Amino acid sequence: QSALTQPRSVSGSPGQSVTISCTGASSDVGGYDYVSWYQHHPGKVPKLVIYDVSQRPSGVPVRFSGSKSGTTASLTISGLQAEDEAHYFCCSFAGSLWLFGGGTKLTVL
Amino acid sequence: EVQLVESGGGLVQPGGSLRLSCAASGFTFSSYSMNWVRQAPGKGLEWVASINEDATEEYYVDSVKGRFTISRDNAKNSLYLQMNSLRADDTAVYYCARYSGSFHCFDDWGQGTLVTVSS
Repeated sequence: QSALTQPRSVSGSPGQSVTISCTGASSDVGGYDYVSWYQHHPGKVPKLVIYDVSQRPSGVPVRFSGSKSGTTASLTISGLQAEDEAHYFCCSFAGSLWLFGGGTKLTVL
Repeated sequence: EVQLVESGGGLVQPGGSLRLSCAASGFTFSSYSMNWVRQAPGKGLEWVASINEDATEEYYVDSVKGRFTISRDNAKNSLYLQMNSLRADDTAVYYCARYSGSFHCFDDWGQGTLVTVSS
């Protein structure tokens, strides 16, 4: 199975909102509500920010939200802050394996 | 605090072998499925292998089946990845990741260990 498709980069100014898409297939994103999103600052440990499509772990700001429509999941970050600048990866269960997206570099202008 | 610390990475020639280790602390290791996830230079993340809590079930991505073996020692709170017949495209940072049955995803990760396959 192929990796999930994410835009290579997105950008936004402080205070704005950005949305990162994650497109898969009916056998992964479209077939299960087990989509998660990770924030990864270079040299640091990946951090879970969204699980089960739209759930936030404790400690993750409410500015982070997730959704899904068909075979595309989305991560929206509202009220952008400088510390949000990082790489973001989506992940989906695909039956007997896990698929990740190629990653999106978020730049806060 | 959950801690996952990988070790064992390094430079190895094509066709060679390497064994990665992941030392876990801060949680009941034997209660969680564990995974290896890798990231090749300039590429996205790729799930590599999973092992369930009592090591009775293992799963692998097709590209490593027959070459890699995931294992664990619950008495030592440790996860392992034996990598044989290594190829250049196995070059990556390898992360140890804990699977959360409540969250249905990988909720804690290590810092990663770099494996470079090159002559």
